[in-house]
Amino acid sequence: SQKIEQNSEALNIQEGKTATLTCNYTNYSPAYLQWYRQDPGRGPVFLLLIRENEKEKRKERLKVTFDTTLKQSLFHITASQPADSATYLCALDVTGGFKTIFGAGTRLFVKA
Amino acid sequence: NAGVTQTPKFQVLKTGQSMTLQCAQDMNHEYMSWYRQDPGMGLRLIHYSVGAGITDQGEVPNGYNVSRSTTEDFPLRLLSAAPSQTSVYFCASRGQRNTEAFFGQGTRLTVV
Repeated sequence: SQKIEQNSEALNIQEGKTATLTCNYTNYSPAYLQWYRQDPGRGPVFLLLIRENEKEKRKERLKVTFDTTLKQSLFHITASQPADSATYLCALDVTGGFKTIFGAGTRLFVKA
Repeated sequence: NAGVTQTPKFQVLKTGQSMTLQCAQDMNHEYMSWYRQDPGMGLRLIHYSVGAGITDQGEVPNGYNVSRSTTEDFPLRLLSAAPSQTSVYFCASRGQRNTEAFFGQGTRLTVV
């Protein structure tokens, strides 16, 4: 079955630095990959969607890359701020896009 | 525009009791899903629906039933609650395949 792996260890970085989170997947070749943010006690909130032929996508301080050969996506937050502290989830659309499966998420802490 | 609304927010059940978690969306979305989230395991798909009258199983469907009689509502039924079903449950909807999902605020369920 499809499997998504995200770094289970929390990522601690200093304010102003670039945070880089990794998402690896196996047993599937998704056409789409998504990233979500989740704050404690809240539901996930959509951030970015990237298609397999896009390789890279940007939105303000966020950048996502998608390497279908490595089966990996990287999520970057540049000029990070304490308000960026949250858990970030990677998600794949499977079964022709009818359902979405999620990784366990990586917790990011940005220290002022 | 309320988005995705889940009720209740909190619930405590005794082992063997049954209950229904409610989910409603007002965005006229065809696709709806139920996830459970446990520490360290991320979001796991329970059941999903691609339209009124059409449902299918996700990764962890045992012990749960769903139905979709209208586009707006997608209730999740626990038939006979077990302590292993203690979790946070999220409902999500999306307008089309391979697009962003909108999540509710979650239902925190404890089975004692």
